[in-house]
This record gives sequence, structure tokens and C-alpha cells, in this order.
Amino acid sequence: DAGITQSPRHKVTETGTPVTLRCHQTENHRYMYWYRQDPGHGLRLIHYSYGVKDTDKGEVSDGYSVSRSKTEDFLLTLESATSSQTSVYFCAITDREEYEQYFGPGTRLTVT
Amino acid sequence: AQKVTQAQTEISVVEKEDVTLDCVYETRDTTYYLFWYKQPPSGELVFLIRRNSFDEQNEISGRYSWNFQKSTSSFNFTITASQVVDSAVYFCALSEEGNAGNMLTFGGGTRLMVKP
Repeated sequence: DAGITQSPRHKVTETGTPVTLRCHQTENHRYMYWYRQDPGHGLRLIHYSYGVKDTDKGEVSDGYSVSRSKTEDFLLTLESATSSQTSVYFCAITDREEYEQYFGPGTRLTVT
Repeated sequence: AQKVTQAQTEISVVEKEDVTLDCVYETRDTTYYLFWYKQPPSGELVFLIRRNSFDEQNEISGRYSWNFQKSTSSFNFTITASQVVDSAVYFCALSEEGNAGNMLTFGGGTRLMVKP
């Protein structure tokens, strides 16, 4: 199994509060991704990183920001959580863009 | 724009039946990659297979087989002699070379229920 952990695994927060999710890898892979999973939509890309301090937006980036100060950590921040951001968030990594991505265990976030 | 369609939202079979999960994709690129992932009830995403657009050979891995046909833009997945442990949501995904970090575009998933 790829060495990917996500924290927290579950979180309940109130609307308007900031939330940070962490993805940590031990594989030294260059590329890291944040997806959200919602019923009927499969997974959709939020942001991705192609190196330390190198990030870019994905398909559903509004309301989210990311940071990557070390190869092994990729943080996803919801500056002011909304109920529409209730979802399961998955982090993924890969060594090369064209290769398969390996996913972390997911974080279930509920915004009340 | 890339798109993946899994028209079957839910399939129910009895153990030992064969089942095929359909995946149709859209892309303008000539170089792209197709994937299948399995999400069991425990929630993790498990990588099953990757195919590039230049390799149309079908693949077999145990009870699993994949049929890639560029002419119909399809990448179907067949499970032979299904087992209860195959019960999961299966996702087909597409990435295009050079597109936003080769982000994966997922289909909506097919929930497979295998009954004993």
C-alpha cells in the first residue's frame, strides 16, 4: 500500500469556520492531488501540486486553498466552510503524471 | 473537454454470474490514459488497471478482464464468476496528457451488489 495518510479522518464543523485537512505521504512522490467525492459525481479535482510550493487549480477549486511547503505534506484549507462543502475528501499521489494515482483513506467532513 | 460516462448506476447479480461494467469516454486528445478503481464498502479507493491510448490489447487478471475499444470510446470491465467480495462501487477514470497535472476525470461510478 502506498504510504498516504489523511488527518483528521472525520470532522464536524460549523458554517463559517476555517478547516484544514492534511495529507501526508512517505513515498516522496512529486504529484499530490485533492479530490472531493459526492454522490453521483464520482470524484472531482479541487487542487493539485506538482512540487514544493507549486500548485494549481482543479475543476472545483472555489472556496478552497492549498499549500505545500514540504514534499510529504499537502494541506487543503476551507477558509470559511459552507454546507455545500460537506463531502468526503481524498488525497492522491503519483510519481509521474501519466501513472496511476494512489489514494489516501479519505476524510469525511460535515459542515453544519 | 474530457468526460466519462458510466450509464449503469447500480447492478445486482447472484454469485457466480458474470457481469460487465460499461465505461464510455470522451476526449479530444490522441494521448490519454484510462483507469478503473474499486471502492469497497470500507471506503478506500483501490487501483485496478491503467491503459494508455496506444495499447488496445485486452487484459485479463484472474477473474477480471478489460476490453478497450477506441472505435467506440469504451473501456469495459468484466468480472467472471462474481463473488460477494466483489461488491463495491467501481469507477472508470480518464486523464489526458498535459491537462492540469493529468487530473483524473471520473465517471459517476457503478455500484455492484453480488448476492450469495
